Amino acid sequence: KAGVTQTPRYLIKTRGQQVTLSCSPISGHRSVSWYQQTPGQGLQFLFEYFSETQRNKGNFPGRFSGRQFSNSRSEMNVSTLELGDSALYLCASSPRAAGTNSPLHFGNGTRLTVT
Amino acid sequence: TQLLEQSPQFLSIQEGENLTVYCNSSSVFSSLQWYRQEPGEGPVLLVTVVTGGEVKKLKRLTFQFGDARKDSSLHITAAQPGDTGLYLCAGARGTASKLTFGTGTRLQVTL
Repeated sequence: KAGVTQTPRYLIKTRGQQVTLSCSPISGHRSVSWYQQTPGQGLQFLFEYFSETQRNKGNFPGRFSGRQFSNSRSEMNVSTLELGDSALYLCASSPRAAGTNSPLHFGNGTRLTVT
Repeated sequence: TQLLEQSPQFLSIQEGENLTVYCNSSSVFSSLQWYRQEPGEGPVLLVTVVTGGEVKKLKRLTFQFGDARKDSSLHITAAQPGDTGLYLCAGARGTASKLTFGTGTRLQVTL
């Protein structure tokens, strides 16, 4: 069974630009969550999508947005990039959206560098 | 605000030694998960604990969830170089798809 696939693996952008990251979940998984990982803040929740609907959102500005398609693939977009957006962006899929025992399966992330 | 504090932040030990990593919070979680992350990869789930006081063993790793479901610990017996990595605890409240991650413990095990 293929794991969670994130593309691209590495990305270099300039301040003010916008970027789109892609995530393909494990087949059959309907929930996709996005996290930002930085050395200073650790892993922080961005948002979660289930059946094309955003169910939860973290404390990030509106420049961060996402969507999920009918095949459960998800994209996240960051507009007007700032230097502080440099981070590893991790996508995680889960078979279920609700329930305390739903495991998260992470991809290997997209390393975004903003210059 | 970091809801889950892990200690220690860094740990460098020799092969064969034992260690314990702590994950503490002032908040109650419905479940707690432990992940290990290696360089260049995403976190990989090790275990989920749900019941207060629960103890789970995974080979040389022992996980415990506090009675009040506010804290957890991970104990590794006879550490091996393959245990090297970033250990993360993550608490769930309500839906496990929205996790609050701990500050992380970076473990290095040398020969």
